[in-house]
Amino acid sequence: DIQMTQSPSSLSASVGDRVTVTCRASQSITSYLNWYQQKPGRAPNLLIYDASSLQSGVPSRFSGSGSGTDFTLTISSLQPEDFATYYCQQGYITPYTFGQGTKLEIK
Amino acid sequence: EVHLVESGGGLVQPGGSLRLSCAASGFTFGTFTMNWVRQAPGRGLEWISFISSGSTTIYYVDSVKGRFTISRDNAKNSLYLQMNSLRDEDTAVYYCARSRPADGFDYWGQGTLVTVSS
Repeated sequence: DIQMTQSPSSLSASVGDRVTVTCRASQSITSYLNWYQQKPGRAPNLLIYDASSLQSGVPSRFSGSGSGTDFTLTISSLQPEDFATYYCQQGYITPYTFGQGTKLEIK
Repeated sequence: EVHLVESGGGLVQPGGSLRLSCAASGFTFGTFTMNWVRQAPGRGLEWISFISSGSTTIYYVDSVKGRFTISRDNAKNSLYLQMNSLRDEDTAVYYCARSRPADGFDYWGQGTLVTVSS
């Protein structure tokens, strides 16, 4: 199975900050990498698919990059509603696997 | 508007069975692949099963193979998960999620809680 490792596991930041979360796959997944945001008690929400494509309706302050094994999610200017947990997920091969999550907290 | 609504969760004893359902609306259900994803309390997300639009291709994570069965009824716009031989570690919120080929899970239900406990 492909292991997905996110860093950091948690992150404290302030409104207006630029934030980057990284995700590393245990083998190449080309660009089959997706990012999700999850708020407490809610279902996950797809932000980025295919490593860098912005899902419809998602604010442009979210962006993704990378290919192969190393990927990043960047939030250009944090807004209050962005404090949540973020997960990466590989869609290259089953079992589709998620990273362990990055909890973004208010500083 | 796309809607996915899960039902069928509840409390079940170890070794018991449960059948989850996911009712879909707002899109042509029969043309999309579907999945079940679960999340144990306080833990991360775990994909557990995939079914193609015509039910010809099915995948499972190893931990549920032989115990869980995914199915769908396109005429009823419904997805199912039959769960047998349930274990404590199957306790989780179970989500159904629509997928696009290799492009992630773009719509999710609200989830249904399954608790396996004696």
